[in-house]
Amino acid sequence: QVTLRESGPTVVKPTQTLTLTCTFSGFSLSTTGMGVSWIRQPPGKALEWLALIDWDEDTYYSSSLKTRLTISKDTSKNQVVLTMTNMEPADTGTYYCARVRGTMIRGVVYYSMDVWGQGTTVTVSS
Amino acid sequence: DVQLTQSPSFLSASVGDRVTITCRASQGISSYVAWYHQKPGKAPNLLIYAASTLQDGVPSRFSGSGSGTDFTLTISSLQPEDFATYYCQQLNSSITFGQGTRLEIK
Repeated sequence: QVTLRESGPTVVKPTQTLTLTCTFSGFSLSTTGMGVSWIRQPPGKALEWLALIDWDEDTYYSSSLKTRLTISKDTSKNQVVLTMTNMEPADTGTYYCARVRGTMIRGVVYYSMDVWGQGTTVTVSS
Repeated sequence: DVQLTQSPSFLSASVGDRVTITCRASQGISSYVAWYHQKPGKAPNLLIYAASTLQDGVPSRFSGSGSGTDFTLTISSLQPEDFATYYCQQLNSSITFGQGTRLEIK
């Protein structure tokens, strides 16, 4: 059974750095075609993709946030860590991690986020 | 960046209705589209990937179609558990989500 769980602070102050950890089980991030992504959702608003790290340690970032984000993995611990610098109140919301799985269909690999964590709520306030 | 525009943003329908949600991309994205639904307070759940492939365990009343810039998600006969917010997502050029379609009971 594949599971993911987010952990980290519930409150951070403006200008601080947020560090979130995604601890997963049931799959290996060393397996070709696998990845872990972070997505966030401000209260009452839409989903926003943040970052992804794949089995080959390639990293990808939202163009609007890439100067503030760093994603890394510790394969031995089955963890993926996201840091976001210079937090501000607009960063308040629920942060999710999700498994990214590649599936080959007629010779083409298609990716999707097939299993999600329950999310962790982060409030930015002084 | 690829922008995704969903329509409608809000939809009111009854149990048993057939509903269609559309997702239009600002540039061609082949079939690199996934659809999710999300209930209040819960994480999103994958329904469709590769534009038209049903995720394991998802009921067959859900279907997806499209390629290039225009995509649709269809629910053939709405069930009470289908009332939720639906998001399309593109994974062709970086990753983006649509703004969501809220499906409510009429």
